[in-house]
Amino acid sequence: GAGVSQSPSNKVTEKGKDVELRCDPISGHTALYWYRQSLGQGLEFLIYFQGNSAPDKSGLPSDRFSAERTGGSVSTLTIQRTQQEDSAVYLCASSSKPDYAYGYTFGSGTRLTVV
Amino acid sequence: GENVEQHPSTLSVQEGDSAVIKCTYSDSASNYFPWYKQELGKRPQLIIDIRSNVGEKKDQRIAVTLNKTAKHFSLHITETQPEDSAVYFCAARNTGGFKTIFGAGTRLFVKA
Repeated sequence: GAGVSQSPSNKVTEKGKDVELRCDPISGHTALYWYRQSLGQGLEFLIYFQGNSAPDKSGLPSDRFSAERTGGSVSTLTIQRTQQEDSAVYLCASSSKPDYAYGYTFGSGTRLTVV
Repeated sequence: GENVEQHPSTLSVQEGDSAVIKCTYSDSASNYFPWYKQELGKRPQLIIDIRSNVGEKKDQRIAVTLNKTAKHFSLHITETQPEDSAVYFCAARNTGGFKTIFGAGTRLFVKA
């Protein structure tokens, strides 16, 4: 597609429920990243995909968080047994190469609210 | 571990004045430094970047400088306009690294 698409744009869920967030990167972009942005805060790295593999999962906050990518395209971030501290905007970004010299194109994010 | 510090956290300037945002990084292997602008409720967007083989880069009213020895880099906005009001994030990434580390952001207010 023309840009990075994320869905849903907003999600309100009850504490303890599981949620799935979806990211559809720019066509042909092999690198995909998930970041989390809490209210008024910076961007916290969660996970990186090169193709379908995730060389760096170091940012995932706990084992309740997991992510996968299939077909080198769409990625889903799953949060199990959501907690109130999971409330944040989850941003996905892609770049054409994993090479250091390229910036990211971000999606509009999914605003997750855990009540 | 890798860290990027950004100052100030908030900056208020009068329209037409200049604004400067400064960042420092900890990983000496970092050699790509992008800057992102995030308007309220919108996605971060890349506005300018600099690689370690240059010390300065300019694009119209914005410029970035890099001091690799001191591990400092800065964003300069001249002739500020109200539409420059946003949160600006600096970031650093190294060759072979898979992730970009972001600063905490600077909220810039440009008063008309």
